[in-house]
Amino acid sequence: QLQLQESGPGLVKPSETLSLTCTVSGGPISSSTYYWGWIRQPPGKGLEWIGSIYYTGSTSYSPSLKGRVTMSVDASNDQFSLRVSSVTAADTAVYYCARLKSVIAFDGVHSHFDFWGQGTLVTVSS
Amino acid sequence: DIQMTQSPSTLSASVGDRVTITCRASQSIDTWLAWYQLKPGKAPKLLIYKASNLQSGVPSRFSGSGSGTEFTLTISSLQPDDFATYYCQQYNSYLYTFGQGTKLEIK
Repeated sequence: QLQLQESGPGLVKPSETLSLTCTVSGGPISSSTYYWGWIRQPPGKGLEWIGSIYYTGSTSYSPSLKGRVTMSVDASNDQFSLRVSSVTAADTAVYYCARLKSVIAFDGVHSHFDFWGQGTLVTVSS
Repeated sequence: DIQMTQSPSTLSASVGDRVTITCRASQSIDTWLAWYQLKPGKAPKLLIYKASNLQSGVPSRFSGSGSGTEFTLTISSLQPDDFATYYCQQYNSYLYTFGQGTKLEIK
């Protein structure tokens, strides 16, 4: 059974960089069928997609994070990572990593999130 | 971005009830829609993908329908484990967006 586990600091100071890692077990990260992504949920709010990465390192990011996001992949260790720079209190959230199952249709690639980690709370505070 | 609007925001129901949650997209997304169940402290769970396909291992009391801009998630007979928050998500565009969620509460 596939499992994803987020890890990283639970407290980050304003203006610093949030860094999280997702470790994948039960299946290789270097599969052509899947992308890997991050989603967050601020307290009391809904879900927000942050970005996605392919095992080759190809990325796509949400425009709403305005260039503050960087994702990377370490296929040899079945891990992928998230960095969000210049954080503020608005970045306080539960951060989830997830696998995206992708389908190639006539109009492009379509992916939904089929496995998720349990999430990790990151609080931005001095 | 494609906006997703769910209704209702909160739903009170009893064990055994049939409930329906609606999700509307701001533009046509064909059938590129998924439904998720979230519970505090647990990994979110995929229920339905491509509008009406039941994810493996999900009980058959869950079903999804719709296409274009209007979609529904139906639970045919509520069980105690079903009280949770449900989200729809469009994946017609790679700029994935979610509905604001529907909290299903015990009446």
